[in-house]
Amino acid sequence: EAGVTQFPSHSVIEKGQTVTLRCDPISGHDNLYWYRRVMGKEIKFLLHFVKESKQDESGMPNNRFLAERTGGTYSTLKVQPAELEDSGVYFCASSQGRGWHETQYFGPGTRLLVL
Amino acid sequence: KQEVTQIPAALSVPEGENLVLNCSFTDSAIYNLQWFRQDPGKGLTSLLLIQSSQREQTSGRLNASLDKSSGRSTLYIAASQPGDSATYLCAARMGNEKLTFGTGTRLTIIP
Repeated sequence: EAGVTQFPSHSVIEKGQTVTLRCDPISGHDNLYWYRRVMGKEIKFLLHFVKESKQDESGMPNNRFLAERTGGTYSTLKVQPAELEDSGVYFCASSQGRGWHETQYFGPGTRLLVL
Repeated sequence: KQEVTQIPAALSVPEGENLVLNCSFTDSAIYNLQWFRQDPGKGLTSLLLIQSSQREQTSGRLNASLDKSSGRSTLYIAASQPGDSATYLCAARMGNEKLTFGTGTRLTIIP
């Protein structure tokens, strides 16, 4: 069974440009999460989808970030326009259910560098 | 607001020794606590998940414990090997399902 995949693995863009990150969760997982780790800080939650609906987007830093999950399958996270402080590693995770025992499975991350 | 702390930030241990990694959290109303491993440039690999009603979980040479009342969890690694070198992260899950992570402990096993 394939794990969580993310594309691209790395992205280097200039300030003001737009970048779109993609996440493909484990097949059959209704829950999809986005997290990010900026330099020197802990990994922080961005948002949570249940199927195609946003369950919790309390961690989204500002309106330059837009997440979508069309048809409840893969998800995209768009940053427009990118700023220097957006640099970091963006992780996607998925889980099957919402019970206390559910493990979140993480992808390899997308390393974003904004110059 | 949940805060998760991992001390020390880095640890070096000779091969073969047993070791303990520490994780503390401020809000004891957690649903579960998860330990992850991250290798350089890689994603997070889930090691163990302890539900709030459990005291410990074991997988091979790894044993994780949870003490909600004191806000602490430990990850015990027995008979350490060079392949255990990685960054270890703990994360607490609250009722809203999002994980709150610590900053991690970078472990180096010295051959």
